[in-house]
Amino acid sequence: NAGVTQTPKFQVLKTGQSMTLQCAQDMNHNSMYWYRQDPGMGLRLIYYSASEGTTDKGEVPNGYNVSRLNKREFSLRLESAAPSQTSVYFCASSVGPSSYNSPLHFGNGTRLTVT
Amino acid sequence: AQKITQTQPGMFVQEKEAVTLDCTYDTSDPSYGLFWYKQPSSGEMIFLIYQGSYDQQNATEGRYSLNFQKARKSANLVISASQLGDSAMYFCAMREGANNLFFGTGTRLTVIP
Repeated sequence: NAGVTQTPKFQVLKTGQSMTLQCAQDMNHNSMYWYRQDPGMGLRLIYYSASEGTTDKGEVPNGYNVSRLNKREFSLRLESAAPSQTSVYFCASSVGPSSYNSPLHFGNGTRLTVT
Repeated sequence: AQKITQTQPGMFVQEKEAVTLDCTYDTSDPSYGLFWYKQPSSGEMIFLIYQGSYDQQNATEGRYSLNFQKARKSANLVISASQLGDSAMYFCAMREGANNLFFGTGTRLTVIP
């Protein structure tokens, strides 16, 4: 039972390079999320997808784009990486957009360093 | 305004003792959920316990219980009989209505043998 799978686990980029973080879930969840975690700031929402075919901005969307490829997959793209995007990135999923009582299930994170 | 406030950056507890991690929240939505997550040094986020805004009783999950005081807008996590494996970061989070889960800044718990 894989749950939420993120790839890669680690990545080092040079400023200006682009990359895509991949996320897939096998729990038949409708909603998916991308968070970033920085020291002393908890987790902050970058983008989310309430259901297949929809995406919305979160608290810190600048510099990122997302694609909800299908119900299982939700990718996060950095078009031109900046040192300020050095962070740990978490993908998460939950049952659905109207279920405020359902927890988010998280992947294991991607540690990204931009030099 | 902060949605979730965790005022204890770090806490220490003796093994086998109980510890309370504080969390206050801010919302005007009558329907919300409160969650606690554990993040060990390995980095994964582990869901611990949930409390709904309409729940009459405090949630419990094994050694974890949630002290929910709705009027005070607090949702403190109580860990009983602490174990060395409880050493980790603990995050309080709130979900309003449909979507986003707002996180606090976390409390680092260290269990002392």
